[in-house]
Amino acid sequence: QSALTQPPSASGSPGQSVTISCTGTSSDIGAYNYVSWYQQHPGKAPKLILYDVTKRPSGVPDRFSGSKSGNTASLTVSGLQAEDEADYYCCSYAGSNTFLVFGGGTNLTVL
Amino acid sequence: EVQVVESGGGLVEPGRSLRLSCTASGFAFGDYVMTWVRQAPGKGLEWVSFIRSKANGGTTEYAASVKGRFTISRDDSKRIVHLQMNSLKIEDTALYYCSRSNKLDRDPDAFDIWGQGTIVAVSS
Repeated sequence: QSALTQPPSASGSPGQSVTISCTGTSSDIGAYNYVSWYQQHPGKAPKLILYDVTKRPSGVPDRFSGSKSGNTASLTVSGLQAEDEADYYCCSYAGSNTFLVFGGGTNLTVL
Repeated sequence: EVQVVESGGGLVEPGRSLRLSCTASGFAFGDYVMTWVRQAPGKGLEWVSFIRSKANGGTTEYAASVKGRFTISRDDSKRIVHLQMNSLKIEDTALYYCSRSNKLDRDPDAFDIWGQGTIVAVSS
């Protein structure tokens, strides 16, 4: 069982928006603004798409956005495209004992 | 090109040891925290261990699941980080990724460079 809780699946049609939630606790997501999100296509390494809750690395489209409220972080993918179909993982810093926790991943299907 | 390349994986019996290596290129390796993250077959990501830069003490941290069995080290002159895995268990079976923290001034909270991983299979 992963430390952060994500829905196992999500879906949307091309052009639509989809939001994936990531629920933690007051010791991780709720305590720090250090939530990151990763996109992983089958057989490939994870790719960083968001960090510090809302920041996008260079080259990541602005269709990907992040937010946080309390102990829950969210990833929104707007204007869904076929290439967005992948697994998405959230991660949070969790202090100087646990350090890092990941979510179990969400499989995003573009219908 | 900025990249990291893992090696050293393989099939090993429970209780035995294995040493993974991660060779970096294209960036100031010594300035970065380096981390191992693993992914069991069909499962999610799990943080394993990280090692701070020498400027930040070069100290190490481990997930509870591997503490006391795994040891991470780095050789900045060779741009390499190792993960020595002892007393391996079946549940250590996974694809092991080497990754770079995206920040220089704090413990890792996000990883911007990932290798393709090296497979570790623990089975009798």
